[in-house]
Amino acid sequence: DTAVSQTPKYLVTQMGNDKSIKCEQNLGHDTMYWYKQDSKKFLKIMFSYNNKELIINETVPNRFSPKSPDKAHLNLHINSLELGDSAVYFCASRTTGNTGELFFGEGSRLTVL
Amino acid sequence: GENVEQHPSTLSVQEGDSAVIKCTYSDSASNYFPWYKQELGKRPQLIIDIRSNVGEKKDQRIAVTLNKTAKHFSLHITETQPEDSAVYFCAASPRAAGNKLTFGGGTRVLVKP
Repeated sequence: DTAVSQTPKYLVTQMGNDKSIKCEQNLGHDTMYWYKQDSKKFLKIMFSYNNKELIINETVPNRFSPKSPDKAHLNLHINSLELGDSAVYFCASRTTGNTGELFFGEGSRLTVL
Repeated sequence: GENVEQHPSTLSVQEGDSAVIKCTYSDSASNYFPWYKQELGKRPQLIIDIRSNVGEKKDQRIAVTLNKTAKHFSLHITETQPEDSAVYFCAASPRAAGNKLTFGGGTRVLVKP
């Protein structure tokens, strides 16, 4: 019974294409995140939503557009993909407040050719 | 915003020895400090956390210490085993930052049998 699930797990695409990654959590959490992990393993926050409302946007290019249709889902759409977008994207969720455990999805490995 | 520095970036130890990873943070409002372990190809998972009202916490072979005055915290793994080989991330979370969790750069730990 997966707590945070994201699809697809792997994405290989050409530069200039548009792609989406979907995320769902069944933990009843109010807050969801997207993190980007590059080849050097840095985990960098991109976005955070609390009850469908954007609360953190970490100067991510506007080619990246998150969408939260409800508090259990947070999707990430990327337009005009660039080589530098290649990374593993992790969805995560947490209860409201800053002291709860962050639960990660399995990650989506995006490769832009 | 919060900035978390983590050292060393790689650590090689003999099985049975201890491993120590150190982190510093910049935001004095941070009050929650978790540690995550990421095995190869897997998602990061919480292994231990500490809150700012506690100076030390232990869970079997893992312990964390926190020095609020100096703004640094450490992870100690005793009697290391090959399954401890992974990337470890420290993180810090300020009280009023929209539930943001900022990660350190990670430490790749290799336990040699």
